[in-house]
Amino acid sequence: EDQVTQSPEALRLQEGESSSLNCSYTVSGLRGLFWYRQDPGKGPEFLFTLYSAGEEKEKERLKATLTKKESFLHITAPKPEDSATYLCAVLRGYGQNFVFGPGTRLSVLP
Amino acid sequence: SQTIHQWPATLVQPVGSPLSLECTVEGTSNPNLYWYRQAAGRGLQLLFYSVGIGQISSEVPQNLSASRPQDRQFILSSKKLLLSDSGFYLCAWARTDLNQPQHFGDGTRLSIL
Repeated sequence: EDQVTQSPEALRLQEGESSSLNCSYTVSGLRGLFWYRQDPGKGPEFLFTLYSAGEEKEKERLKATLTKKESFLHITAPKPEDSATYLCAVLRGYGQNFVFGPGTRLSVLP
Repeated sequence: SQTIHQWPATLVQPVGSPLSLECTVEGTSNPNLYWYRQAAGRGLQLLFYSVGIGQISSEVPQNLSASRPQDRQFILSSKKLLLSDSGFYLCAWARTDLNQPQHFGDGTRLSIL
């Protein structure tokens, strides 16, 4: 069965303390992997798309990487405003088969 | 630039009442449109998607229905709400080019009493 998992479920960091979030997937026919940021009470905000193993994307303090089985979202020197839930999603097979992971809730303390 | 509007932001409804949530997209034409439900601590569950006017695909059989009366308008409905319909409902759009990301509205928090 196609599945997307994320770890850890929650992460607390001190401001400036770099870390990584993991998104593991077991799907057939991966067509793309997407990272989103979601603030409480809001819809997910698109961050990155990765299409093939070895691909990397960067935006400010965030860097996303992709292998054949997982993706990492690296956060360098995070700030309190980076606190949010980070979701990953995969598009697989035919049609509009998006599958979302449960998310990682990140808290960055000043 | 493209924008997506979803309303209302919050809604409290009694069990057995009807439902209509509306979503509109601006700045693009012929988008793919989606309705999701998000339960606390869980991933987004795809409910319906549409690739064109009048074309609706249902992912999960349930008490809800969707319609697309205009190119950039997507409506989620129910004739009789159940307690289990409570949740956070999100509308999203995506370009029809292959493998494009989805872009979400700010959601509707639905509480059933």
